[in-house]
Amino acid sequence: GDSVTQMEGPVTLSEEAFLTINCTYTATGYPSLFWYVQYPGEGLQLLLKATKADDKGSNKGFEATYRKETTSFHLEKGSVQVSDSAVYFCALSRNFGNEKLTFGTGTRLTIIP
Amino acid sequence: DAGVIQSPRHEVTEMGQEVTLRCKPISGHDYLFWYRQTMMRGLELLIYFNNNVPIDDSGMPEDRFSAKMPNASFSTLKIQPSEPRDSAVYFCASSLSGGHSYEQYFGPGTRLTVT
Repeated sequence: GDSVTQMEGPVTLSEEAFLTINCTYTATGYPSLFWYVQYPGEGLQLLLKATKADDKGSNKGFEATYRKETTSFHLEKGSVQVSDSAVYFCALSRNFGNEKLTFGTGTRLTIIP
Repeated sequence: DAGVIQSPRHEVTEMGQEVTLRCKPISGHDYLFWYRQTMMRGLELLIYFNNNVPIDDSGMPEDRFSAKMPNASFSTLKIQPSEPRDSAVYFCASSLSGGHSYEQYFGPGTRLTVT
């Protein structure tokens, strides 16, 4: 079945550091890929998405490129801020996100000033 | 828009009691999802509905769990009887098919503690 494997956390970085959170997936066909973010005490919210190979999703300085050859969707940001501290979830869907999402285990990110 | 609304935000109950969690999806959305989040198991999809009809309930842990969606603006998740291992944060999410955003909108969650 479908699965998503995420980099184990927690991850602690200093402000302005470069961030990479690895995500790889297993799925048949051509899934859509997502990064969701969960701030403390809140529900998940969509950070960015990509629906086909070589698409790059981007939002709030974060980027991720859909790499079919390596079945990966790594999240990157060039300069993190304290406000980026949250839990990040990689996810996939077979049907453009309207049907069920398969989530990774989440990566807790803490940015220190 | 008010977003997805869940109630209560926190629930503490004793083992054996019935618990009912409530969700109001975003108006006009035709998909509704129930998730459970724990440290041990992460985020799990329990059940989802399309146009008020349950599509996939394979994630429902056992017969103690049931979910209903009597109309497009309301859904419940019921646990009867509750057990300590049911302690978790339960999220409801909704989405709209046919658009370009493909986004599920999550509610703030209900933190359930069963003692």
